[in-house]
Amino acid sequence: DVVMTQSPLSLPVTLGQPASISCRSSQSLVYSDGNTYLNWFHQRPGQSPRRLIYKVSNRDSGVPDRFSGSGSGTDFTLKISRVEAEDVGVYYCMQSTHWPPFTFGPGTKVDIK
Amino acid sequence: QIQLVESGGGVVQPGGSLRLSCAASGFTFSRSPMHWVRQAPGKGLEWVSFIRHDGSNNYYADSVKGRFTISRDISKNTLYLQMNSLRPEDTAVYYCVKGDDYSPGHHWGQGTLVTVSS
Repeated sequence: DVVMTQSPLSLPVTLGQPASISCRSSQSLVYSDGNTYLNWFHQRPGQSPRRLIYKVSNRDSGVPDRFSGSGSGTDFTLKISRVEAEDVGVYYCMQSTHWPPFTFGPGTKVDIK
Repeated sequence: QIQLVESGGGVVQPGGSLRLSCAASGFTFSRSPMHWVRQAPGKGLEWVSFIRHDGSNNYYADSVKGRFTISRDISKNTLYLQMNSLRPEDTAVYYCVKGDDYSPGHHWGQGTLVTVSS
């Protein structure tokens, strides 16, 4: 199974400042079709998760453009250009290249300093 | 708009059974792969099961294989998860998730809590 790791696991942020979360996979996430199936999810406190980013860098509908994803192979990054209050919660990366199983990272908890 | 509404959660004793349902609307259910993902209290997300759009193949996490069964009823636009031989470690909120390119996608239900306890 592909193991996903994230760092940091806790990220205090200042409103209006940038933030960055790293995600690493135990093997390359490049699929035979050339795509890389790395996703990012956000879960606000008390709410269901929702996907923000798919295939490394594609934002889902309705996701603000302050969120961006990048990376390749085994190393990926989610960046928030200017953190807003609604961005608090837990962020998970998840791979859907080598399945089953689909595997999530442990999550990064973002809160306001 | 797309809606996924889970039901069927509750408290069950170890070794017992429960069937979760997920009523889907706002999209063509018969064309969409579907997932169950769970979250133990205070823990992260764990993928549980996946069913293709036509129900032709089902996939399970090792932790539930042989005990859980995913299915779908196209006529009712409903996804199911039959859970047998439940264990305390199955205690979690279970989310129904619309698939996108086989992966769990953008649309999740509100979740239903399953508690396995004597």
